[in-house]
Amino acid sequence: EVQLVEFGGGLVQPGGSLRLSCAASGFTFSSDSMNWFRQAPGKGLEWVSYISSSGTTIYYADSVKGRFTISRDNAKNSLSLQMNSLRADDTAVYYCARETGRSWGQGTLVTVSS
Amino acid sequence: DVVMTQSPLSLPVTLGQPASISCRSSQSLVHGDGNTYLNWFQQRPGQSPRRLIYKASHRDSGVPDRFSGSGSGTDFTLNISRVEAEDVGVYYCMQGTHWPPGYTFGQGTKLEIK
Repeated sequence: EVQLVEFGGGLVQPGGSLRLSCAASGFTFSSDSMNWFRQAPGKGLEWVSYISSSGTTIYYADSVKGRFTISRDNAKNSLSLQMNSLRADDTAVYYCARETGRSWGQGTLVTVSS
Repeated sequence: DVVMTQSPLSLPVTLGQPASISCRSSQSLVHGDGNTYLNWFQQRPGQSPRRLIYKASHRDSGVPDRFSGSGSGTDFTLNISRVEAEDVGVYYCMQGTHWPPGYTFGQGTKLEIK
């Protein structure tokens, strides 16, 4: 069974940093691209970042470019999202997802507030 | 950037009746490789999104056959042949053809039981 488990969310002040992680199991992690998506409270879905299976190709949404960094460790079946210079509008549930949303985690809530 | 427009945004349906959701893109979603990267997702209340349809018309494993996707170019439709109570939630279309800049979603359509 495919499982994606995100952790690392929480309350952080504006301008602060947070690192999200996603533990993957049940599939060959090193063969699949991965994505981070997010959903602000009561809002729709938004793509955040993409990383290829090898980690050599990376893309970011304009809204997070220069502030967020995606990475993966294929040896540990782990995906990460380093979030710096956080703003109030980054408040959302963050989901890791396999490929083009083939599988999703349960999400982790990030709240940016003073 | 590609804009995805869904209609209707609210869809009250009687149990056992069919339902249809439209998704239109501002540009053709036919990729240079010949595929059309249009996905449909279901998000039940309080749950993570779940992919129902990929490449416009391919049903994901485990998705009931009452769900079907159709369309081409810029016009796409998600059809539910007979709505059941468990189908309540928000449905999103997402394009992955024009990449980068990244995946873009429709606004979401909220399906409720009349």
